[in-house]
Amino acid sequence: NFMLTQPHSVSASPGKTVTISCTRSTGSITYRHVQWYQFRPGSSPTTVIYADNRRPSGVPDRFSGSIDSSSNSASLTISGLTTDDEADYYCQSYGATVVFGGGTKVTVL
Amino acid sequence: QLLLQESGPGLIKPSETLSLTCSVSGDSISNSRRYYTWIRQPPGKGLEWIGNVFDGGHTSYKPSLKSRLTISLDTSGNRFSLKLTSVTAADTAVYYCVRTAAWEVAEFLSWGQGILVTVSS
Repeated sequence: NFMLTQPHSVSASPGKTVTISCTRSTGSITYRHVQWYQFRPGSSPTTVIYADNRRPSGVPDRFSGSIDSSSNSASLTISGLTTDDEADYYCQSYGATVVFGGGTKVTVL
Repeated sequence: QLLLQESGPGLIKPSETLSLTCSVSGDSISNSRRYYTWIRQPPGKGLEWIGNVFDGGHTSYKPSLKSRLTISLDTSGNRFSLKLTSVTAADTAVYYCVRTAAWEVAEFLSWGQGILVTVSS
């Protein structure tokens, strides 16, 4: 099966923008949809992006997802950072089985 | 508003059977055309999909767990459950119950808060 590789951590100041990459090791990133999940301590996990770039109801439009075939990667962009965005973010896709990225810790400075 | 809530023991002994239930409120699990899924995360490790049940009752399990795992639906109680036999310390994890988008086996939309299960004597 394939792997999804994410940076271990990213950080930025409030109001700024961060982008988290998720690179697929083998097979096209476009083969199956990519999802992004937010894990904050003390809260239920939240899906922030599904089907590559769709936002569930209730997720602010500061969260956006995209696919880049040239780098075989997906990206999650969070604009207008707030302290509530400080969390671990996981990308996920599937093939023969479900695959999760290793997670990226977002720190709001 | 859809809510999923896990329940079950927080501590279980090695070789015992782990039973977890996920109660679903805010929508019926019957005829939902969704997959009801269990995902776990061992302490300090990544997320692991362990299995699902479709609203018609068809199940799919992670191959390495298939011999020990049963996931089932209780439509009258609007809940689904997990049974994992012969647990070991390697089964210590936070277990999440999750519902997918309609017809999508691996687009996880709604999550429970998670329940920490520790396997220890």
